Amino acid sequence: GDSVTQMEGPVTLSEEAFLTINCTYTATGYPSLFWYVQYPGEGLQLLLKATKADDKGSNKGFEATYRKETTSFHLEKGSVQVSDSAVYFCAQRGSGNTGKLIFGQGTTLQVKP
Amino acid sequence: AAGVIQSPRHLIKEKRETATLKCYPIPRHDTVYWYQQGPGQDPQFLISFYEKMQSDKGSIPDRFSAQQFSDYHSELNMSSLELGDSALYFCASSFGGGGTEAFFGQGTRLTVV
Repeated sequence: GDSVTQMEGPVTLSEEAFLTINCTYTATGYPSLFWYVQYPGEGLQLLLKATKADDKGSNKGFEATYRKETTSFHLEKGSVQVSDSAVYFCAQRGSGNTGKLIFGQGTTLQVKP
Repeated sequence: AAGVIQSPRHLIKEKRETATLKCYPIPRHDTVYWYQQGPGQDPQFLISFYEKMQSDKGSIPDRFSAQQFSDYHSELNMSSLELGDSALYFCASSFGGGGTEAFFGQGTRLTVV
């Protein structure tokens, strides 16, 4: 079945370091791909999305490119801040009006000053 | 901008009791999703509604039921509560499916004692 796999965390970085969180998916069709962020005690916030191959989603310095050939949607940021500390979820969503989100297991990012 | 509203934010119930969680989607959104997130887990899809009809069903126990009303708000009813039902319950809404993003509420934290 359709699934999403993320790199295991936690990921601990120093401020201003480069971030990569790997995400790969399996799907029968051509899903839309998303990154959500969850701060402690909060709900899920959409960080960025891409709806077709080679699309690049970007927001707040984060980027991810939809790679159909490698079925990947890796999240990157050039210079992380302490405020980026959170749990990051990669997700896919199928087409049609019933398209539920399928989440990866989440990756905890901790940024130290 | 209006967001997805969930109530209550916190709920404490005893085993075998009943709980009702409410979700008010973003105005004009026609699709509602319910997710359950256990501690340190990724959100698990429970059930969804499109235009007031159930559109998809995930790992929702038979003790749980849900519906979407004429004003598009949704309620998740949980009976015979068990300790293992303690989790964060998220509601999300979207306009249609496919590539359109789903917006999440802040969640209801249910604790069963």
